[in-house]
Amino acid sequence: QKEVEQDPGPLSVPEGAIVSLNCTYSNSAFQYFMWYRQYSRKGPELLMYTYSSGNKEDGRFTAQVDKSSKYISLFIRDSQPSDSATYLCAVGFNKFYFGSGTKLNVKP
Amino acid sequence: GAVVSQHPSWVICKSGTSVKIECRSLDFQATTMFWYRQFPKQSLMLMATSNEGSKATYEQGVEKDKFLINHASLTLSTLTVTSAHPEDSSFYICSAGGTGVEKLFFGSGTQLSVL
Repeated sequence: QKEVEQDPGPLSVPEGAIVSLNCTYSNSAFQYFMWYRQYSRKGPELLMYTYSSGNKEDGRFTAQVDKSSKYISLFIRDSQPSDSATYLCAVGFNKFYFGSGTKLNVKP
Repeated sequence: GAVVSQHPSWVICKSGTSVKIECRSLDFQATTMFWYRQFPKQSLMLMATSNEGSKATYEQGVEKDKFLINHASLTLSTLTVTSAHPEDSSFYICSAGGTGVEKLFFGSGTQLSVL
């Protein structure tokens, strides 16, 4: 069983839409949950970081962690074409495991 | 966020040669650095974890004699791909964490092409 699973997409939405990205993970010991944005052939950029469970909001981005379901989400409000990228979730404790990434395309 | 510098950004080499990739944390001391490999349209695969002053811990299936990792200081880790072969061609990315590794900051990646 993989440590973390993520739907690869691609996900295509119109500008202004609310985007929901999700991952499931297998190990209940994981305490740290992160979302990264990656553009082609570039290193991932940290967007959101959450410790344990709960919600965290930063501008148009909201990260949610449901430890009972081992499910994490990233919501993007008022999506923009500049949000088009691949989004990676990462989970772990001492070391981190990455989802396969969801490719998002926001159409103008 | 913190800055992690990775160099070079791309390298082309002949089969059988060795290639060194550097990863530097510019504005913080990186107790731990991680090296990842990423194939096209796939996720990051953790290769090894290095702690300053000690031997790296390699993930299962990663050849430690082929992928030499040195973490000699709190700001520098290097990955050397020895006797590179075409199947080693990939995108290699380093990341660094401070005393709290809950936040990982990534370098810009190195595209290695072995001819």
